Amino acid sequence: DGGITQSPKYLFRKEGQNVTLSCEQNLNHDAMYWYRQDPGQGLRLIYYSQIVNDFQKGDIAEGYSVSREKKESFPLTVTSAQKNPTAFYLCASSRARGMNTEAFFGQGTRLTVV
Amino acid sequence: QQPVQSPQAVILREGEDAVINCSSSKALYSVHWYRQKHGEAPVFLMILLKGGEQKGHDKISASFNEKKQQSSLYLTASQLSYSGTYFCGTEIDSFGNEKLTFGTGTRLTIIP
Repeated sequence: DGGITQSPKYLFRKEGQNVTLSCEQNLNHDAMYWYRQDPGQGLRLIYYSQIVNDFQKGDIAEGYSVSREKKESFPLTVTSAQKNPTAFYLCASSRARGMNTEAFFGQGTRLTVV
Repeated sequence: QQPVQSPQAVILREGEDAVINCSSSKALYSVHWYRQKHGEAPVFLMILLKGGEQKGHDKISASFNEKKQQSSLYLTASQLSYSGTYFCGTEIDSFGNEKLTFGTGTRLTIIP
């Protein structure tokens, strides 16, 4: 079955450590997105990528980094520079604009930094 | 740049109707609507492209007013399964800016 997979579902890290969240899709989608969800703030865009080897900052990119070396993979690294990293992180993918651009979401990763 | 949604929360009795609004300060290429149940991933409901079209999905429909950069989601004869948080997502109408930005959400609670 085609879909988008995030791992792990729950992640605990000590303050000051970098951590990488995985996102893989087998939908052959060009576009991939990372969102952060906090209570009452909706989904805020961290980074997005429309094509392999290219990505753009979203609205809250500070303290995060991404790579897009393969079409199916878009990992997100939460660095020690992110001041408040505890949150629910969602990855999504969609076809290129101009087509049916429905976004498919992964099940999310809940990151807790202690 | 997040679109603005209203209301933030609404409580309805089963069978009542609801309207959720979404507005943007930028010209829009498309508006998406998603529903998220607690602890789950958002699920796609519908997409509307510029052109002022209206779409329907069972008892859930939506409109898109391109001139006002607004969209509304209509839920009629609400069912218990409609409970959740609804998000609108917007794509701004300019090349080189193809990103999907979501609003803060509207929490809908349906009670028997």
